[in-house]
Amino acid sequence: GEDVEQSLFLSVREGDSSVINCTYTDSSSTYLYWYKQEPGAGLQLLTYIFSNMDMKQDQRLTVLLNKKDKHLSLRIADTQTGDSAIYFCAEKTGGGNKLTFGTGTQLKVEL
Amino acid sequence: GAVVSQHPSWVICKSGTSVKIECRSLDFQATTMFWYRQFPKQSLMLMATSNEGSKATYEQGVEKDKFLINHASLTLSTLTVTSAHPEDSSFYICSASGNGVQSLHFGNGTRLTVT
Repeated sequence: GEDVEQSLFLSVREGDSSVINCTYTDSSSTYLYWYKQEPGAGLQLLTYIFSNMDMKQDQRLTVLLNKKDKHLSLRIADTQTGDSAIYFCAEKTGGGNKLTFGTGTQLKVEL
Repeated sequence: GAVVSQHPSWVICKSGTSVKIECRSLDFQATTMFWYRQFPKQSLMLMATSNEGSKATYEQGVEKDKFLINHASLTLSTLTVTSAHPEDSSFYICSASGNGVQSLHFGNGTRLTVT
């Protein structure tokens, strides 16, 4: 079955790195995504990783995938106050574009 | 980049009335659109998958007669909440899928409040 879990809350100081974790159960996931949601807004795609990759880096964002443990993480380097938001991981299984979202992690960046 | 427009961004309606939410893909043809519902501080729950020119596929537990979905063209899908009740108050988000593996784009959501 599909079940995607995240820790609910993360607080970091500005300039530090943030690491947001996600675990999933469906081993047939093809792509895994990270989305950002600001208050009252829709979802903004941050990055994604194909299931046969271990790591992907995109500017301040680094995605790590441990397929064996079904664990995905998002590292944000030099976290800024503008990074404060809810972050959702999502997995895609099968051939369509249907996504299963994680429970979301609220990131709070303090000065 | 690809843009998905969702309208209205917020709506307040009285209990018993119906509300229509539109989701438009502005610069690409969306063969499939998805409708999600999000309660405060919770994740997105997929309600239904809307395919252009065919009936929507509803997720388990979603009443198809209450949440009517129409996907009459490749750029427009609508969700109508019929006979709305306060428990239908929620944030509704659509996403549109075009061609290509990564082409899934989200609207900015509609905040529905039923009084």
